Formats: sequence, C-alpha cells, structure tokens
Amino acid sequence: GNSVTQMEGPVTLSEEAFLTINCTYTATGYPSLFWYVQYPGEGLQLLLKATKADDKGSNKGFEATYRKETTSFHLEKGSVQVSDSAVYFCALPMDTGRRALTFGSGTRLQVQP
Amino acid sequence: GAVVSQHPSWVICKSGTSVKIECRSLDFQATTMFWYRQFPKQSLMLMATSNEGSKATYEQGVEKDKFLINHASLTLSTLTVTSAHPEDSSFYICSARKGTGGTDTQYFGPGTRLTVL
Repeated sequence: GNSVTQMEGPVTLSEEAFLTINCTYTATGYPSLFWYVQYPGEGLQLLLKATKADDKGSNKGFEATYRKETTSFHLEKGSVQVSDSAVYFCALPMDTGRRALTFGSGTRLQVQP
Repeated sequence: GAVVSQHPSWVICKSGTSVKIECRSLDFQATTMFWYRQFPKQSLMLMATSNEGSKATYEQGVEKDKFLINHASLTLSTLTVTSAHPEDSSFYICSARKGTGGTDTQYFGPGTRLTVL
C-alpha cells in the first residue's frame, strides 16, 4: 500500500518565521495528496490538497506542491502566527481503489510570540 | 460546506460497559465513512470502513465483535465499543467521504475521547 513519511517534530519557530514541513510519499500511481491540521483536543481539519502532479494546494497562507519527481508534498508558509500552533499531518489514500487515508506521524508546530 | 459531527465529544465509562459513538454528516450524504483511532501524540490508524447498507470492513487486527459499526443511513454511522476495557481508552475519529469520484475528499469529525476506568 501507499505510505507517507513526515519530518519529526516538534518544530519551534518564532512568529513571522518561514515554515517548511517535509513530506515524502510512496504510492502506486498518482493519488491525491492532503495536509490536515489538528488543533489541541480537536479532530482533523483539511488544510489543503492537490489532486495531480504539479498542482499547488493553498489555504490560509499555507502552500504545498505535488512533485512527482521527488515524490514530495512539503508544506510551507511564509510567515507563521501563534495561532498556527498545531499538529500537521500529511496523508494520501491507503491504496489504489481505497479511499481511507494513511497518515504520516504528524509534526507538531509550536510558534512563539 | 462539509460538516461532520460526533457525539459524544468525550465519555468516561466503567470497565465492562458498552459505549456508542455517533458520526453524522450534517450537510451532505456519505455513502462511506471511516473510523480511526488515535493514541496520544500518535497518528491516526484506520479501524474500519463503514458503507451504508452493508457490513463494515475491518482492518487487520481490529476485533469486529468488539467494535461494532453500523451505517444505517447516508448521514449516520455508529461505533459501539462493547465490554470496554482501559486499553480501549483512546481518541476515536470518524470521517465521511463527500462525493463518489476519484478526487473526493474526506471530512473529519471533531473526535470522541473515550476513557475507560
């Protein structure tokens, strides 16, 4: 099946710093790729997605580009805020024909004022 | 929008009792819902896939007799943890699939924290 590897956290940044969270995947074909965010004590919220190679997903200042050459989907934001503190999960379908998702281990982001 | 709710948001129960968790898609119909389990500071692990009108498909290692799943309508799936024990304490999260195409997206509920004493 498909799998995803995320950089380990926690990542601690100062407000307005540049953020990169690395995500690489192994997959059959070219499945959709997702970033989800989980705030403390809550479920997951879809942050952004990309459905085909070279697509760029973006939302709330976050961006990620589907790069098939490097099998990566790194999450970036130019200027983080304290409110961005959360756990970020990279995800993709478990396998061809399966819609359930497999998730990376999650990366905890802590933004300090 | 695409909103998924779960009820209850948290529950504490005694060992040996059963607990039912509801997952509802509020503004769309979901032919497929998924149940995940998340341990503290860990990622989500798929427990089962719930299809409306048919039996759930369980992942390897998940006891189907312990975790009963019912998907009685296009907007509701329930997970019942039977004879709960402390090791069943966890954060249970459901998701609902919106759409039937190849690029459909899953939307997640807020989760239910189960604590078994």
